Parts: sequence; C-alpha cells; structure tokens
Amino acid sequence: EVQLVQSGAEVKKPGESLKISCKGSGYVFTTYWIGWVRQMPGKGLEWMGIIYPGDSDTRYSPSFQGQVTISADKSISTAYLQWSSLKASDTAMYFCARRSSYEGEYYFDYWGQGTLVTVSS
Amino acid sequence: SYVLTQPPSVSVAPGKTARITCGGNNIGSKSVHWYQQKPGQAPILVIYYDSDRPSGIPERFSGSNSGNTATLAISRVEAGDEADYYCQVWDSSSDPWVFGGGTKLTVL
Repeated sequence: EVQLVQSGAEVKKPGESLKISCKGSGYVFTTYWIGWVRQMPGKGLEWMGIIYPGDSDTRYSPSFQGQVTISADKSISTAYLQWSSLKASDTAMYFCARRSSYEGEYYFDYWGQGTLVTVSS
Repeated sequence: SYVLTQPPSVSVAPGKTARITCGGNNIGSKSVHWYQQKPGQAPILVIYYDSDRPSGIPERFSGSNSGNTATLAISRVEAGDEADYYCQVWDSSSDPWVFGGGTKLTVL
C-alpha cells in the first residue's frame, strides 16, 4: 500500500527555521517525483515545488522560489520542505503528494496527511 | 500563467446529480484532474485524465472536458460527498501545476 506519512504539527516564532518531512513507503521512492502543496487557512491548493528523489532534481513554483528549500534523502525514502526564516504568512497546512503520469499528463495520485505549521510571536 | 476558474459553491439535493465546472482557455486541449477534500483531511484524487477513475472511487463520479470547460459530475449524490473539489491541469510553463480555486459542494 502506497503511503506518504508527514511529520507532526509545528508551532514556531517568526524568524525561526523549520524542516518538515514526508516519508514514502509501499513503492519505489526513487522513481516518483514528490511535490509540496500549500493550503493557507480557508484557502485553496497552491503548488510550491517538486523533487525527484532519484537524483534530487528540483523545480520550484516562481511564487515560492527562494522562499523555501525542497530536498530528499533517498536512503530513508524521505522528502523535506524547509524554511530558513519563517514569517507569520507561512502559517498553513502543507501537503506532500506523489506525482503520477498518464500519457504525458501529470497529477498527484497519493497525498500525505498534511503538516500544520503555525507561525506566531 | 494558465488560470482555472471554478464556481465557489454548488448545492444539490440528495439523490440528484451535481455538476462542478472548471473553466480555462481551450481547456479541452489539456487533461484535467479532480480532487476531493473533506474538512480536515488531505485531498484525494477522484478523476484523472479527464474521465478516468482511480480504483476505489465510485462509478457515481465522472468527468468530461471540451472547449473551454471541464466538468465533474457526481450522480446520486450522498451526504458523504459534501466536500471541496479542485480541478488541476499541468501546463508546460514556468508554473506548471495549476489548481482551480475550489468548489464547495453542499448537500441540501
């Protein structure tokens, strides 16, 4: 069974750093891209970026380029999303999701349960 | 960048058919995927490649795509179908993963 299990909720202060994780199981982790999606309170889904754990090839949405860093450790089947200096506006639920494809079209077929990040002084 | 437009809300009586639209410029030339998100839960894929259903998704869920509008149809609507629904396409641009703003389905 394919599973993506994310790390637990975080409460941080502005300016602090943070790294959240997403561990994949039930499939060959290195052969599927893993994306990160933000959902701010009461809002919709926003794609942040995506990584291929096999070689750590990473792409970012222009909206998030320079704001976050996506990485992966294939030895432990885990992808990461990190911030060096959090802002209150980073308060959101963050989902990881596995990219699948069908005839050259891409979608997310499995999702993690989400990690709630709260940034408040 | 490419834009997808969904109605903020759709209401339907139990047992009827709900139709949720997703508009985009010549969206019929792209593949549209749909996600269901219930309160406090992660999204799940309900339709991919316009009209295919992942295993485990009821046949009541169907999709179509033509011209400037894609549609998710849910027949014989049940209370458990109440959720937010998001359409998504992949666009070959610098910001390729595009989601619609979401539609809240209310079962009356």
